[in-house]
Amino acid sequence: AQSVTQLGSHVSVSEGALVLLRCNYSSSVPPYLFWYVQYPNQGLQLLLKYTTGATLVKGINGFEAEFKKSETSFHLTKPSAHMSDAAEYFCAVSSRSGTSGTYKYIFGTGTRLKVLA
Amino acid sequence: DTGVSQDPRHKITKRGQNVTFRCDPISEHNRLYWYRQTLGQGPEFLTYFQNEAQLEKSRLLSDRFSAERPKGSFSTLEIQRTEQGDSAMYLCASSQRGGGTEAFFGQGTRLTVV
Repeated sequence: AQSVTQLGSHVSVSEGALVLLRCNYSSSVPPYLFWYVQYPNQGLQLLLKYTTGATLVKGINGFEAEFKKSETSFHLTKPSAHMSDAAEYFCAVSSRSGTSGTYKYIFGTGTRLKVLA
Repeated sequence: DTGVSQDPRHKITKRGQNVTFRCDPISEHNRLYWYRQTLGQGPEFLTYFQNEAQLEKSRLLSDRFSAERPKGSFSTLEIQRTEQGDSAMYLCASSQRGGGTEAFFGQGTRLTVV
């Protein structure tokens, strides 16, 4: 079964510093991978996704992620953190369900990013 | 189109009562998902519809939970005889097709069972 592991439930960075949020996945087939952001009491908003092709994908708000098949990783980065980046971030994999044959989204447990002034 | 909408945004209910939540997906999306999210956790899959057909249900979805999507448009999630453990954020999402397309999420319904 497909799964997602996010290392570090809490990450703190200084404003202007590099943001690195880690995500490893387990999938028996080529995965579709996503990063979502969630602000308090809100739904999830897509930051970026990887389907096929270029392994470095760029998203909104200056975020990017690199798909590394050999490391089964899809880490999220941003060169310079901004106070408004403080939120919870979720990595997800879209997996084909064995029972229905359709796709569902499997999420990691999330990483809460704190940005220090 | 304003995206996925959920109603109500907040619900407080007494233990043992029934509650029903509504989700209106993006109009051209034929796939609809319900997820549950508790504090400090990622969203957990509950159930999935393709048009009006409910194609998969998680084992998390006990017999007290039922979901419908009549006519393949809006969906409802009902919880009967609520328990304190049902307190969570219930998220609805829709997508146009599976695989590499992303799911669009509503703002969620926060349920508190007292």
